[in-house]
Amino acid sequence: GAGVSQSPRYKVAKRGQDVALRCDPISGHVSLFWYQQALGQGPEFLTYFQNEAQLDKSGLPSDRFFAERPEGSVSTLKIQRTQQEDSAVYLCASSLRAGSDTGELFFGEGSRLTVL
Amino acid sequence: GDSVTQMEGPVTLSEEAFLTINCTYTATGYPSLFWYVQYPGEGLQLLLKATKADDKGSNKGFEATYRKETTSFHLEKGSVQVSDSAVYFCAPYSGGSNYKLTFGKGTLLTVNP
Repeated sequence: GAGVSQSPRYKVAKRGQDVALRCDPISGHVSLFWYQQALGQGPEFLTYFQNEAQLDKSGLPSDRFFAERPEGSVSTLKIQRTQQEDSAVYLCASSLRAGSDTGELFFGEGSRLTVL
Repeated sequence: GDSVTQMEGPVTLSEEAFLTINCTYTATGYPSLFWYVQYPGEGLQLLLKATKADDKGSNKGFEATYRKETTSFHLEKGSVQVSDSAVYFCAPYSGGSNYKLTFGKGTLLTVNP
């Protein structure tokens, strides 16, 4: 399809395991964002890419979180040594131009991570 | 940075009732204002927007007016439907060096038949 695609949709990990979450943005979109959405909360910013450059990673909660977008399209969010507090839905969003463009972001359905 | 205060939920209404979800914001300069909606099991999607003071955004029977003097952008619908059941998020966007959307906590709306 033509939308933002995320995988896996659901991931259950044991505490201490590493996980990788994938985002396939809309083709040609320059900007890519990762957000974390805890249960009952709004999305919280994690990191921002403009093409392959990670311009802001100020929202990443710890150095266990790492994101990349090596070719300026697909992005991966990696969480090392998962902890229970990492349980959340991880949302990927893209926009056509730099930043949030005119403010319209296109979101994927999210990857729900549960850490046991 | 931008911030937003959104009406606490959950909100439960009967079909055809009137809906208001309050939103006030703090932002740099003159932001654009957005309402996003998240239907069950789906990603967020843009519902409506307004880009300058006194503008009214509208979509799917929902409306919101950009009130600069009260820094508000309240969402309204005259007659809700069961299919409107979702979580609604208000978000200001200043643009420029502040390139990310900042979302409110969201308001869960449940419409009963």
